[in-house]
Amino acid sequence: ETGVTQTPRHLVMGMTNKKSLKCEQHLGHNAMYWYKQSAKKPLELMFVYSLEERVENNSVPSRFSPECPNSSHLFLHLHTLQPEDSALYLCASSQGPSGQGAGTDTQYFGPGTRLTVL
Amino acid sequence: ILNVEQSPQSLHVQEGDSTNFTCSFPSSNFYALHWYRWETAKSPEALFVMTLNGDEKKKGRISATLNTKEGYSYLYIKGSQPEDSATYLCASANTNAGKSTFGDGTTLTVKP
Repeated sequence: ETGVTQTPRHLVMGMTNKKSLKCEQHLGHNAMYWYKQSAKKPLELMFVYSLEERVENNSVPSRFSPECPNSSHLFLHLHTLQPEDSALYLCASSQGPSGQGAGTDTQYFGPGTRLTVL
Repeated sequence: ILNVEQSPQSLHVQEGDSTNFTCSFPSSNFYALHWYRWETAKSPEALFVMTLNGDEKKKGRISATLNTKEGYSYLYIKGSQPEDSATYLCASANTNAGKSTFGDGTTLTVKP
């Protein structure tokens, strides 16, 4: 399998459930990202990992907990979510860190997980 | 937090028409501007990354220009085809840290 994959593609969960989203990249990249897209809103960066270290936490509530066990895998652990957390969650990866710098790195996106919180 | 704006929000054109849309971003501390295409039920796909004022990039019938002094980029599609129907996103980075701020996107529909 090539590119960036995400599982599951669709997830429905109750507010008391605990679930995890998984992202895997097969591109040999060193940086991985979680984005959230809510209805009628732009893509919103949640977390950035570079060489398995979290380098960005964009003021995300603690009910979202990321994990990056290695440079190919990224998880987003979910617990006690709210209905307003229903959204499309996209994972991406990029080459960084690189000589040119992460700001110019192209990001390669997965297909996303459509999350519905009841 | 950067304020990245795209216009128009949506656009309907006939096959064969040429079209363009705009991405506005803060010109101060500019580092890079990215354009992505996002087709329904697919992943966003990178089109261009631009860094220098006056940059022009081209990929087939799609091209983009960059004005960092006034803070805007244009994306042009020449002779639109139905397969060009997608949402076109721009993202601006003001540091070398990999954090880009995305605009809302322009959704293009090309009618046969």
